[in-house]
This record gives sequence, structure tokens and C-alpha cells, in this order.
Amino acid sequence: GAGVSQSPSNKVTEKGKDVELRCDPISGHTALYWYRQSLGQGLEFLIYFQGNSAPDKSGLPSDRFSAERTGGSVSTLTIQRTQQEDSAVYLCASSLKIAGASGYEQFFGPGTRLTVL
Amino acid sequence: DAKTTQPTSMDCAEGRAANLPCNHSTISGNEYVYWYRQIHSQGPQYIIHGLKNNETNEMASLIITEDRKSSTLILPHATLRDTAVYYCIVKVSDYKLSFGAGTTVTVRA
Repeated sequence: GAGVSQSPSNKVTEKGKDVELRCDPISGHTALYWYRQSLGQGLEFLIYFQGNSAPDKSGLPSDRFSAERTGGSVSTLTIQRTQQEDSAVYLCASSLKIAGASGYEQFFGPGTRLTVL
Repeated sequence: DAKTTQPTSMDCAEGRAANLPCNHSTISGNEYVYWYRQIHSQGPQYIIHGLKNNETNEMASLIITEDRKSSTLILPHATLRDTAVYYCIVKVSDYKLSFGAGTTVTVRA
């Protein structure tokens, strides 16, 4: 079956430009997550969507970062006025179980490698 | 979240079992042990998780000590495709995953 897909796979942009990253979760998964992984660093949580609930934005590093999830499916992560420190792999994941349940499995997409020059 | 300690790297012969240790001495009673792995240039992949009992699925087995202060992930018959960074994570049932350095496992022919 289809997994989580992300586009573009690679994005090179100039400092100060805005970028949009897209995530298509697995059909039927109610939860969607955005993370980023910098070179040599661990995984950093950014934002979480669960059904119609208000998203958990606690991991967003600044107000230049925003995300939305339309129709409970596709999600877009937007970074405004990109900075060089935004360069990283941005990963999207989705899961079927609701947070707070007895364990869960997150399915990750291949990521978008963002390079800010 | 409880802190975990894993070896930086380990080698394993193809076809042999790979035993990956993880120490989590400060684990709380309601925290699960999760294992994910990340093959180079790919997104992380869930392997297995457990609370108290040992667990087994098609990918691996998870052995948790009785005091829950450590665990071992077992890949029963390692293949070259199992070469990856393996992450042990201890969390309550929550959604904000975070990975440390993990163990870089290299399976050699």
C-alpha cells in the first residue's frame, strides 16, 4: 500500500525566500506529525495534528514556521524568510492510533531535504 | 522522558543475530520502550515497542529486564539491509518522538 509521501524530495532556496513543504499521509491516519533532522543531529518534533483538534505547535522554533492540514489529510509546512539554520531534512509522519493510547507506531515519509543558501 | 544509553556502534555478521542493548535506568512505570531505525537517507522506521513483557514481531524481538532498567533489541538473522542507525526511546504513550545518537549497526557479509 502507499506510504507517507513528501514533496519535493529536495529544495534549494535562497536566504529570505519562503518555502512550502508538502506531506500526504497514509489514507485513514488521523494523526500527522512534522519533524526535522539536522545533519548529525537527532530528531526534533515540530508540530502535531490530530483529527479536528487544535494542533500542538509547541515544537515550532519560531513564528516563521507554520503548518496547516486541510480536510484532515494533506499537510503543508511553510517556512517564511528562510535562514541558513533552517537547512535540514524535514520529515512527516502519520499514525492511526490516537495519542494517549497504549502505544503507537508512526510511519515516516522519506523527507524533504531543505538547503538554504 | 527517561534518558537512554546505547553503544555508539556495533558490527554484526550477515545471517547472525544482532543484539542491541539499551540502558534506561530512570524509566518510569508508565513509560514504554520503543525502537526505531533509520537507514541512510531514508525516514525513520518503527521496529517494535513494549512496556513490561517481551515482544516479538516479524522484524525483531524486544527483551525487557524484569526491573525494566534495560532492554535488548534482537534482529534474529541480520541482513545487509539491516545496516542502519537504531534508536531506543523511552516515553509515555505520547507523540513527540525525539532521537538521540542511537547505535550505528553495520552488517558485514
